[in-house]
Amino acid sequence: GAVVSQHPSRVICKSGTSVKIECRSLDFQATTMFWYRQFPKQSLMLMATSNEGSKATYEQGVEKDKFLINHASLTLSTLTVTSAHPEDSSFYICSAWRQPNSPLHFGNGTRLTVT
Amino acid sequence: KNEVEQSPQNLTAQEGEFITINCSYSVGISALHWLQQHPGGGIVSLFMLSSGKKKHGRLIATINIQEKHSSLHITASHPRDSAVYICAVLTDKLIFGTGTRLQVFP
Repeated sequence: GAVVSQHPSRVICKSGTSVKIECRSLDFQATTMFWYRQFPKQSLMLMATSNEGSKATYEQGVEKDKFLINHASLTLSTLTVTSAHPEDSSFYICSAWRQPNSPLHFGNGTRLTVT
Repeated sequence: KNEVEQSPQNLTAQEGEFITINCSYSVGISALHWLQQHPGGGIVSLFMLSSGKKKHGRLIATINIQEKHSSLHITASHPRDSAVYICAVLTDKLIFGTGTRLQVFP
């Protein structure tokens, strides 16, 4: 089946630094990738929708300058958390689909801890 | 009120029991997804539905578009089914339910 690879799975960084998370579709071309954030014991919160070759669409309340999303190719999207603060500590997950209304495939998530 | 409501929020069952998780939504959708999230965080897509019923192994998902309601059934539940089950509807974006935490005891 289709696989989405997300790296790193865990990262610890110091406050003020930036962290990049990668999401790759390994065996299909993903027209759209999604980035989510999940707080403990809560459901997924969509942060942004990323279409290859165009700017990401951010959900209300998500800071574009803080959470930089790049979707440079049909198999790779990156999320960069800039100038990270402890409150950015969370579980970040990506997903991708070949096209709308096709099955969603999820990465295994990245647990970010900002100290 | 959330656009996607799931019930119950928490569910415990004995191994072998038949389990039903419900999802109701209040918006027009083009598809509904059932997802499974294990304690480690990884998410697996179980079903994508736009009408009717789908079955995969011990899992069955149904959707009633007129009633804006979907159910996920697990037959002969097993401890390895313990996970959080999430319903997500597709409008112009994905909207997630709050999840149902299922624990199946031997």
